[in-house]
Amino acid sequence: EIVLTQSPGTLSLSPGDRATLSCRASQSVSSSYLAWYQQKPGQAPRLLIYGASSRATGIPDRFSGSGSGTDFTLTISRLEPEDFAVYYCQQCGSSPGWTFGQGTKVEIK
Amino acid sequence: QVQLVQSGAEVKKPGASVKVSCKASGYTFTSYYMHWVRQAPGQGLEWMGIINPSGGSTTYAQELQGRVTMTRDTSTSTVYLELSSLASEDTAVYYCARDYTGYDPFDFWGQGTLVTVSS
Repeated sequence: EIVLTQSPGTLSLSPGDRATLSCRASQSVSSSYLAWYQQKPGQAPRLLIYGASSRATGIPDRFSGSGSGTDFTLTISRLEPEDFAVYYCQQCGSSPGWTFGQGTKVEIK
Repeated sequence: QVQLVQSGAEVKKPGASVKVSCKASGYTFTSYYMHWVRQAPGQGLEWMGIINPSGGSTTYAQELQGRVTMTRDTSTSTVYLELSSLASEDTAVYYCARDYTGYDPFDFWGQGTLVTVSS
């Protein structure tokens, strides 16, 4: 099973700052199968990025994804107040299981 | 518009079973796989399994094998998650989420169903 490790656990930033979130896989993941989700308290996760770098429908262009192999990054170029949330990476191509990282919380400094 | 509407909150005693439903609308039910994901209080996301609504085939997370059953009813466009031998560690919000090919990201999620296991 592929293990995804996200860092940092918590990111304390101010609105307007740039956020850089990391997701490292225990073995190589095809870029096609790496996704990022945003989750706010009391809500279901929302798909942000798929295929490592493609934005899902309706996602603002301040969100971008990059990476390949075992190292992937989610970047939020300028944090808006509504971006403070928990972010999860996910690999969806390795049977028999789909796995998530443990999450990175982006909080207001 | 696509909607996944889940059944309401449940409170169960240890050792009991629970069955959660997820009713799909706004798309062709049999064209998308459905996953179940759970989230314990204050914790991350845990994948539980996948069902192909077209043929009913399933794959479950290894750690839940023997306790989890996923089924579907194509006449009502509903998938079901049944979890047996409940323990306090099964207290969580349970989500259904769809996936186009079985290897795609989860583009729509249900609103979640809280299952509380308590004596």
